[in-house]
Amino acid sequence: GAVVSQHPSRVICKSGTSVKIECRSLDFQATTMFWYRQFPKQSLMLMATSNEGSKATYEQGVEKDKFLINHASLTLSTLTVTSAHPEDSSFYICSGTSGTGELFFGEGSRLTVL
Amino acid sequence: GQNIDQPTEMTATEGAIVQINCTYQTSGFNGLFWYQQHAGEAPTFLSYNVLDGLEEKGRFSSFLSRSKGYSYLLLKELQMKDSASYLCAVRHSWGKLQFGAGTQVVVTP
Repeated sequence: GAVVSQHPSRVICKSGTSVKIECRSLDFQATTMFWYRQFPKQSLMLMATSNEGSKATYEQGVEKDKFLINHASLTLSTLTVTSAHPEDSSFYICSGTSGTGELFFGEGSRLTVL
Repeated sequence: GQNIDQPTEMTATEGAIVQINCTYQTSGFNGLFWYQQHAGEAPTFLSYNVLDGLEEKGRFSSFLSRSKGYSYLLLKELQMKDSASYLCAVRHSWGKLQFGAGTQVVVTP
């Protein structure tokens, strides 16, 4: 099946620094990428939807200036958490679709902000 | 707006059957997914229903009633490795996938 490769799988950073998470679709063209966040024992919460070549659409309550999403190509989307704080510590996961209906998840990135 | 409701936790013994219900209210319905998620891992796809009825896939089956806004996931012949969180997710007509809070299934010997 199609694969979305997400890196890094785990990252620890100091408060105030920025962290970039990458998602690459390896064998399909991800026209749309969804970014989710999951806190412990909670479900996946959609943060934003990005279409290749367009600005991302953010869900209510998600700061677009803090969570920068870039989807410049059909195989790469990135999420940058700027000026990270401990409350941003979470499991971030991307999922891509080529528009056929199937959705493919990355492996997830565990962010810990000290 | 959209509400997706599923039980928080269910416990069953090995070899038994468990049914996880999911009710939803949404506009622009375009399919319902079930995912399995083990702690610290990404969700894995289990099933997809867009039309009413039962979809069977090995030990797992999923049912959908669009008129009732209702779905269930049936897990048969439970195994210890089935202990996980099961997520019901509804897709909007414009593609966005919204997840329920998940049902933690605990399989006991």
